[in-house]
Amino acid sequence: AQSVTQLGSHVSVSEGALVLLRCNYSSSVPPYLFWYVQYPNQGLQLLLKYTSAATLVKGINGFEAEFKKSETSFHLTKPSAHMSDAAEYFCAVSKGDSSYKLIFGSGTRLLVRP
Amino acid sequence: EPEVTQTPSHQVTQMGQEVILRCVPISNHLYFYWYRQILGQKVEFLVSFYNNEISEKSEIFDDQFSVERPDGSNFTLKIRSTKLEDSAMYFCASTTGQGAREEETQYFGPGTRLLVL
Repeated sequence: AQSVTQLGSHVSVSEGALVLLRCNYSSSVPPYLFWYVQYPNQGLQLLLKYTSAATLVKGINGFEAEFKKSETSFHLTKPSAHMSDAAEYFCAVSKGDSSYKLIFGSGTRLLVRP
Repeated sequence: EPEVTQTPSHQVTQMGQEVILRCVPISNHLYFYWYRQILGQKVEFLVSFYNNEISEKSEIFDDQFSVERPDGSNFTLKIRSTKLEDSAMYFCASTTGQGAREEETQYFGPGTRLLVL
């Protein structure tokens, strides 16, 4: 069964510093992985997704993630944090059965210090 | 850019009352979902809907819950007799149904925050 684990419920970085949000997955089949961002009082917005075409995936707002099968990881990174990046980030895996529902991790809240 | 909309943004109700949460998916989308997020917890799948019927539901989605697409544009979630533990943010999502389903992006609405007193 597919599952996702996000390490760190809160991550705090200084503006301009590297952002690293961790996601590990468990899947018995090749996974399809997603990162979503939730800004305060807003819905979930897709940042990027891995669909087996390339292991390094670039998304919106300068974020990227690398799929590492050997480590069962799909960590999200951004070279330089901006204050506007402060939000909650969710990693998710698509369960490829009849519904293709998303299974979410518990989320990581990113705080950006001036 | 097309987006999923949800109404109301907030709903307060008394325990035992019925509530209907409304969603308007993106117009050419064919698959619809409801998820919920209890405060401080994960986003959880509730139900998926295609071709006017439920394709999958979670164990959370018991007989108190129902979904409907009443008029070709709205997609509703009804809770017949609300409980305190139904308090959560409810998200609607939709996908086109084109191509490989497991790769598809689910587009989420802004959510309805339900508070049951």
